[in-house]
Amino acid sequence: DQQVKQNSPSLSVQEGRISILNCDYTNSMFDYFLWYKKYPAEGPTFLISISSIKDKNEDGRFTVFLNKSAKHLSLHIVPSQPGDSAVYFCAASANSGNQFYFGTGTSLTVIP
Amino acid sequence: DAGITQSPRHKVTETGTPVTLRCHQTENHRYMYWYRQDPGHGLRLIHYSYGVKDTDKGEVSDGYSVSRSKTEDFLLTLESATSSQTSVYFCAISQGVRELFFGEGSRLTVL
Repeated sequence: DQQVKQNSPSLSVQEGRISILNCDYTNSMFDYFLWYKKYPAEGPTFLISISSIKDKNEDGRFTVFLNKSAKHLSLHIVPSQPGDSAVYFCAASANSGNQFYFGTGTSLTVIP
Repeated sequence: DAGITQSPRHKVTETGTPVTLRCHQTENHRYMYWYRQDPGHGLRLIHYSYGVKDTDKGEVSDGYSVSRSKTEDFLLTLESATSSQTSVYFCAISQGVRELFFGEGSRLTVL
């Protein structure tokens, strides 16, 4: 059973606009969330993370929002750039465990 | 960049043959993981290790075995490869559950 879900397989956005990628989770024990970016033929690279004690974390053009009551997080990219075109994976972990659980990914295309 | 090296990076083999993928790290991280990436499935955990000789199964462990005889090396073995194991395999390392670093991947094709 998928504990982390990314329900949008793909997303297209115009350059300069906002990209919003969504992620839902089911396990209330998850207390840390990460976003990874993956280009073709490369390994996933860490983008940004958030602890459950926060509801927002910002790093440059990237902001992650966490809504614990809804078990939902989102990644905002503003402004979107063509180089942001990649597959984005959401992941979750629990401090009591030693595994990371990944969503199925969202393929973002930023149109110049 | 985290010091993670996967080998081989590409391999084509035939059904029924054994295959071993190697992951080598220079970071002295405690945890090592093997994931596979498939379209529509994202990244799925095969096996992981929490120390030398300490390993556990992930969600898609059937048909795979692992070994970790040294902190720096984590081997993934397909005893008898099947076409369903055609995939891209990623090794990852971490010190806890707050960070995870991936290798470049190994593309395996089973004919």
